[in-house]
Formats: sequence, structure tokens, C-alpha cells
Amino acid sequence: TQLLEQSPQFLSIQEGENLTVYCNSSSVFSSLQWYRQEPGEGPVLLVTVVTGGEVKKLKRLTFQFGDARKDSSLHITAAQPGDTGLYLCAGLQLAGKLIFGQGTTLQVKP
Amino acid sequence: GAGVSQSPRYKVAKRGQDVALRCDPISGHVSLFWYQQALGQGPEFLTYFQNEAQLDKSGLPSDRFFAERPEGSVSTLKIQRTQQEDSAVYLCASSAHRSRGYGYTFGSGTRLTVV
Repeated sequence: TQLLEQSPQFLSIQEGENLTVYCNSSSVFSSLQWYRQEPGEGPVLLVTVVTGGEVKKLKRLTFQFGDARKDSSLHITAAQPGDTGLYLCAGLQLAGKLIFGQGTTLQVKP
Repeated sequence: GAGVSQSPRYKVAKRGQDVALRCDPISGHVSLFWYQQALGQGPEFLTYFQNEAQLDKSGLPSDRFFAERPEGSVSTLKIQRTQQEDSAVYLCASSAHRSRGYGYTFGSGTRLTVV
């Protein structure tokens, strides 16, 4: 049973386009984290959202935590080839375990 | 060190061989996690330590997998009698706190190939 469902799993877009990645669950998490991973490296933390309804911006990336703390989204404006990578959402359970979604592979073509 | 260090980066093992994967967390980080990751997929939880105590090992696939962190710092993930399905990247992560606002710092992983 996948606790965190990410969609889409694959996304190939042209440079300059906007995109949104969704992360949904039937479980409540104490926080939701987004990571980006490049080939041959470990995931790198982008942001942590803690409060239901919270919105955080990181340059062209906007992260939102759902009011019920069960879902989240990542929106990228004017995607660049450097945004290419595997995007992972992860929910932190109360017991301290971090559960990952399946990931979204993003390819931005110049 | 400044980051989480894992060794070796690559390991090729013959089926049936035992392997040991090492993780050096960030100094002072109390929490340490092991994950298994298939190509293009999200990491799957294996086990979790707080200091030297293994608090959760529910993700270990079988009794061939064993992890330890005897002094609350370096951790070793051992896989006995490796099988082809054990081929994956094994990631280690550490965190300073259990607080919900803290993210994890991951190492670059060990890519294990069982032939």
C-alpha cells in the first residue's frame, strides 16, 4: 500500500512552461518535505511545510501544504533545463519515520 | 564531516556473498535512517536509529538484512547471502532532531549490484 501517491510519475516539457506535481495521501503527516534528486546522488531537501494551508516559495518553486495536512503540491514557473531531475515528496509520521512517494521524473527540454 | 558519507559508492557482489555498507552521519546527528531505492522510484524505508537504539526495523525485507549503530554514530547495514533482488541503491540519511520542521541530509548512496 502506497501511503503517498505522487502524480504525474513522468513529465517532459519545454523550457519556459509551468508545471504542477501533486502528492496525495489518506494519512495525516506532521510535516511534508520535498526533495530533488539527481542521478548518482542522494535526495536534497528543498522545503519542509509544517502548518496546514502553508505556502512557501523558493525562487520559481511554490510549495503548498493542504489544510488537512494530507496532501501537497509543487508548482514550478517558467521551467528551466536545470530543473530536470527526480522530485520526491515525503511525509513525516509522528513516530519519526519519513515515507516517500514514488517520485516524479521531470525533463525540461531547451 | 560536512555531509553524510557512505562507502563504498559501488559494490558488485556474487549471489550468496555477504556485504557490509557503511554510513558516517553528520557529527552530532542523533537520528539515522536507511532506505532502499530502485531506479527512478522513491526511497523505501528500511530502518531507523535514534542514537544507538534501533527504534524501527519494520522495512527490512528479510532476516538476511541487519543494521547496527553500536556507538550512536557510524552505522553498518549488512546483507547476508545476497540475492539478485537485493540490487538497488542503499541510501543513508541523518537528522539532528525528531522535530517535524527538520529535514534529512542524505548521503550519495551505495549502488549494490548482485550478479
